[in-house]
Amino acid sequence: DQQVKQNSPSLSVQEGRISILNCDYTNSMFDYFLWYKKYPAEGPTFLISISSIKDKNEDGRFTVFLNKSAKHLSLHIVPSQPGDSAVYFCAASAGNNNDMRFGAGTRLTVKP
Amino acid sequence: NAGVTQTPKFQVLKTGQSMTLQCAQDMNHEYMSWYRQDPGMGLRLIHYSVGAGITDQGEVPNGYNVSRSTTEDFPLRLLSAAPSQTSVYFCASSGINSPLHFGNGTRLTVT
Repeated sequence: DQQVKQNSPSLSVQEGRISILNCDYTNSMFDYFLWYKKYPAEGPTFLISISSIKDKNEDGRFTVFLNKSAKHLSLHIVPSQPGDSAVYFCAASAGNNNDMRFGAGTRLTVKP
Repeated sequence: NAGVTQTPKFQVLKTGQSMTLQCAQDMNHEYMSWYRQDPGMGLRLIHYSVGAGITDQGEVPNGYNVSRSTTEDFPLRLLSAAPSQTSVYFCASSGINSPLHFGNGTRLTVT
């Protein structure tokens, strides 16, 4: 039973354009959401997070949007750069790292 | 600052063999955990520890043991390897109310 779903296994965008990665969750107890980025042969690294009391959090080129009623969050990257090419994991928790659930990941390719 | 260090990077085992995956962190984090990553499944929690001497099961604990004798180290033991344990294993640690820091993973193949 996957509580966090990333329905797009891959996404390809042109350099300079916007990348939008989507994530859906089913557990209404989740109140903290994160995005991790993973390069080949490396571990995931934390990118950005949002708590359920907010609907938007921005950090440079990266913005995460949360729609609690739809149980949906998205990561926007503007402008996209070739170095952003990686696998992006969405994660959600109900307050503790040990109840965190991860999506299956979306592979983003940014073409020069 | 090394962060989270995992060894080995690659391992091939025969069915029934045992082995220990090593994990060490130098950030003085109390929380440590082990995940496995399988295609189409995301990262799934195997075991975790909230401090030295304390361990607990995650989503997929069967076939694995852990111990936490020091704050720095959190080894994962496969007691009798099975082909279903072929996966990439990640160790992670975190401080209080902070995101997980992951190691670079161990790719395990069981034949």
